[in-house]
Amino acid sequence: AQSVTQPDIHITVSEGASLELRCNYSYGATPYLFWYVQSPGQGLQLLLKYFSGDTLVQGIKGFEAEFKRSQSSFNLRKPSVHWSDAAEYFCAVGARQAGTALIFGKGTTLSVSS
Amino acid sequence: EPEVTQTPSHQVTQMGQEVILRCVPISNHLYFYWYRQILGQKVEFLVSFYNNEISEKSEIFDDQFSVERPDGSNFTLKIRSTKLEDSAMYFCASSTVSNTEAFFGQGTRLTVV
Repeated sequence: AQSVTQPDIHITVSEGASLELRCNYSYGATPYLFWYVQSPGQGLQLLLKYFSGDTLVQGIKGFEAEFKRSQSSFNLRKPSVHWSDAAEYFCAVGARQAGTALIFGKGTTLSVSS
Repeated sequence: EPEVTQTPSHQVTQMGQEVILRCVPISNHLYFYWYRQILGQKVEFLVSFYNNEISEKSEIFDDQFSVERPDGSNFTLKIRSTKLEDSAMYFCASSTVSNTEAFFGQGTRLTVV
């Protein structure tokens, strides 16, 4: 079955501390992987994506993610969290072909403490 | 920066009524999608649309749902007879033909009472 697991429902990080959000996937074809962020009352903003090539990908707002095929993981990281990073983060997997469904995880809510 | 726009941002409707949710995809994108997110749950795929036809749909997208591109810019989702369980945030998205990278709108929160 195709699925995305985000094991952490809620994480609290101190401002300035590092962050890692976990994502594991199960997908039958070559996975195309995405991280989206959703601020309260807002839509889904693409943070970064992995299609192929270098397994460490850089995104917007200082985020990066590393694809590990052997572990079926695509964890999101940021070296120093800012209060404005508080939001909900979704990992998603899909096929390359346009028109196919993205499968989302349940999301991780990030709180940032001062 | 081009973006997907959705209207209205919030719609309240009575159970059994028909609703139409509207979206303007990014202008050079040719694939269009609807997703929904029931409160507290994950984002779920409903349907994708290309060249005036449904490309793929999920089990959720049953006969009460329909999609249409009524003109060159709008893409709509119609729910014929709303149920309480249709209450959710509905996201429109679009992508190019190259791959599945989808750009999402801000969403329409549908509340069925």
